[in-house]
Amino acid sequence: TQLLEQSPQFLSIQEGENLTVYCNSSSVFSSLQWYRQEPGEGPVLLVTVVTGGEVKKLKRLTFQFGDARKDSSLHITAAQPGDTGLYLCAGGGYGQNFVFGPGTRLSVLP
Amino acid sequence: NAGVTQTPKFRVLKTGQSMTLLCAQDMNHEYMYWYRQDPGMGLRLIHYSVGEGTTAKGEVPDGYNVSRLKKQNFLLGLESAAPSQTSVYFCASSYGSYNEQFFGPGTRLTVL
Repeated sequence: TQLLEQSPQFLSIQEGENLTVYCNSSSVFSSLQWYRQEPGEGPVLLVTVVTGGEVKKLKRLTFQFGDARKDSSLHITAAQPGDTGLYLCAGGGYGQNFVFGPGTRLSVLP
Repeated sequence: NAGVTQTPKFRVLKTGQSMTLLCAQDMNHEYMYWYRQDPGMGLRLIHYSVGEGTTAKGEVPDGYNVSRLKKQNFLLGLESAAPSQTSVYFCASSYGSYNEQFFGPGTRLTVL
């Protein structure tokens, strides 16, 4: 079974601060996805990374896939209250379904 | 398009009762999934389907059954509910196993 760990588990910051959250595994994944989930709703895909070392930017969010395809990070610049939510990473193995990490719960205070 | 819808949104059961959760998608996706989400444990896959008439077990299938009689619908059944099945259940669908999953709004189930 492929397992994903996410850190930190909880993060509370002030509006305008920068932050990075991490997704780590001892397994290699062919692709990795990041989702954001708001209270009372299902997760919504933010990005998919498929190449080791790949960096993708989505406005103030920067996603990186580790060279060894075992880890990923999400960096948010100048966080806003609208960024509040649960951030989930999900790793897709070769021929296997995606496995989700436990998530990082982010709170951005105005 | 409604995307992925789930029925009901909330449900309270007594131990031993049965129920069926309904998931419907209007995106013509081949793949459909049922997950449960518990605090601190992320989403865990219960069962999934790669097409109409097919189902397969996920990570935590015990105590659940599923059916995919129509491509757009995926049903999750609990034959004899237990308190350990108290959770939030999410249905999702995708074009393929590596594609974006689209999630429904969830069903909050409490088993007393």
